[in-house]
Amino acid sequence: ETGVTQTPRHLVMGMTNKKSLKCEQHLGHNAMYWYKQSAKKPLELMFVYNFKEQTENNSVPSRFSPECPNSSHLFLHLHTLQPEDSALYLCASSQGVMDNEQFFGPGTRLTVL
Amino acid sequence: GENVEQHPSTLSVQEGDSAVIKCTYSDSASNYFPWYKQELGKGPQLIIDIRSNVGEKKDQRIAVTLNKTAKHFSLHITETQPEDSAVYFCAASLSGGYQKVTFGIGTKLQVIP
Repeated sequence: ETGVTQTPRHLVMGMTNKKSLKCEQHLGHNAMYWYKQSAKKPLELMFVYNFKEQTENNSVPSRFSPECPNSSHLFLHLHTLQPEDSALYLCASSQGVMDNEQFFGPGTRLTVL
Repeated sequence: GENVEQHPSTLSVQEGDSAVIKCTYSDSASNYFPWYKQELGKGPQLIIDIRSNVGEKKDQRIAVTLNKTAKHFSLHITETQPEDSAVYFCAASLSGGYQKVTFGIGTKLQVIP
């Protein structure tokens, strides 16, 4: 295991629902990331947090709302999603944003009906 | 921005044979090139990386080569085993400061026993 856990592992939601994805890292890292992985597309960086502060929002629609209460936990709050938002959402962490090696969690498979 | 192209998208080899996956990048300033392996139901895991000050790096059965002039790098797996079956991603970024990591689209490797 990589030391990065994500819950839930699978999520099915309707377009009007509100749900949250949770990520926790047990590595003592200071930087955390959300990625979207869709079929036949490269990994897309969504958000970057460094010491709980958001340092990058990669033009992500506002229906995705991240939250980082501390360096070990990262949430992705979802509301009024679209079917095209169905994908695998991966959380990752690194020692710092200056460190290239990222450790990924297993992902949450999201299906929007 | 950086653009990373990866091929082939799928690769089948007989157990014991070698597998080669190739990537090209567009930004000549990129100097860090990691390779990730993603097994079914898991997040990507770093397996080997190379920096632009070296041309080749080996770790047991895997090796990566880098041609800075041509802006391409390759992953070589020798004596393939069924457990090598996975999706492999190449990536490119700058080191020494925060820069977004750009990933390739992935290669699904199947090792046939």
